[in-house]
Amino acid sequence: DVKVTQSSRYLVKRTGEKVFLECVQDMDHENMFWYRQDPGLGLRLIYFSYDVKMKEKGDIPEGYSVSREKKERFSLILESASTNQTSMYLCASMVNTEAFFGQGTRLTVV
Amino acid sequence: AQKVTQAQTEISVVEKEDVTLDCVYETRDTTYYLFWYKQPPSGELVFLIRRNSFDEQNEISGRYSWNFQKSTSSFNFTITASQVVDSAVYFCALPGYSSASKIIFGSGTRLSIRP
Repeated sequence: DVKVTQSSRYLVKRTGEKVFLECVQDMDHENMFWYRQDPGLGLRLIYFSYDVKMKEKGDIPEGYSVSREKKERFSLILESASTNQTSMYLCASMVNTEAFFGQGTRLTVV
Repeated sequence: AQKVTQAQTEISVVEKEDVTLDCVYETRDTTYYLFWYKQPPSGELVFLIRRNSFDEQNEISGRYSWNFQKSTSSFNFTITASQVVDSAVYFCALPGYSSASKIIFGSGTRLSIRP
């Protein structure tokens, strides 16, 4: 079974903190994605990566950066967390158009 | 541009009723896939089906069925004899055909099944 693991289910951070959300997949997939999910807005793509050290902006990259130093790991970074980044964050990896999702990280910024 | 529209924000039905979730998409690709995902209260997205644009046959899996109509750019999902465990948010999604493409999701339909 493909496994996509996000490091935390729940996180509470303070405004201004630097936040790292980690995602690891165990199937050697090239494509990985970070989405945020908000009520009424569905899933919105923040960043995606199609290879090590390669990244592309999604629809809402402002306030975020990413890192892909190894194929299995795709990190989402909030340089200076703000309350409007309180959300559910979902990581996915994809091969041959089939996507697999992690369990999600619910981030609260206070 | 690629776009997925799920016009139904919320649906509530009584158990055992049939319910159809609508999905309309836009794409410039001539070949593409479409997905449906289920997100139960636990939060993890569960893959339900992938449909290739070459294949317009309807698909049935137990109580679930999918109606893909290329002429109307729709990929609707029907649950027959709904159960309380079907309560979830359902997403329709459109990945690009190339391996490096991003996945576009609809805004989701929250389905509540009342006992």
